[in-house]
Amino acid sequence: GAVVSQHPSRVICKSGTSVKIECRSLDFQATTMFWYRQFPKQSLMLMATSNEGSKATYEQGVEKDKFLINHASLTLSTLTVTSAHPEDSSFYICSAERGPNYGYTFGSGTRLTVV
Amino acid sequence: AQSVSQHNHHVILSEAASLELGCNYSYGGTVNLFWYVQYPGQHLQLLLKYFSGDPLVKGIKGFEAEFIKSKFSFNLRKPSVQWSDTAEYFCAVVENYGGSQGNLIFGKGTKLSVKP
Repeated sequence: GAVVSQHPSRVICKSGTSVKIECRSLDFQATTMFWYRQFPKQSLMLMATSNEGSKATYEQGVEKDKFLINHASLTLSTLTVTSAHPEDSSFYICSAERGPNYGYTFGSGTRLTVV
Repeated sequence: AQSVSQHNHHVILSEAASLELGCNYSYGGTVNLFWYVQYPGQHLQLLLKYFSGDPLVKGIKGFEAEFIKSKFSFNLRKPSVQWSDTAEYFCAVVENYGGSQGNLIFGKGTKLSVKP
């Protein structure tokens, strides 16, 4: 149990277009999901905390208008990279809290390449 | 497909006990290795990482990990745990291709409960 599905796993898009990444909790409800980004040769960086039914909480330095997060249901959070540029190319990963007595589960990640 | 295995789902210890959390990965090439911690209600934090050099890596809060390439392992240790170490711990591996790297792959996590 406790599976988080992230889709797509890889995407290549043209500069200036938008890309949507989905994060779904398949067998549990997640009121909170986290979106991370990994830069080359570095560890993960938290981008934002996604809260079901309310606005996401963005970390300092993360452009909320560029990285749109929507957590419309207890099983789905989406990250949309708007007007993507080559510097947005990165690995994005989400995680969801299974509950206070359980812990967190990670999606398999999305490799975004902007050309 | 590459994978990361964390052997223990839930570990329960008393304060001052020693901790060792196992992590094994399946990739045969060069890797970068990470241990992350997630405290209840908080986001992931980096405990320590290994890229190259001394295989014994020291991280924050008294944690250390040893990379044993022959065993494909990167076990996390702490000589004396505290109640505040109660959290979930994730091992993660990324393939290092030299100029680039693969996707970060996480283990399923080990929940640590420390009894006061």
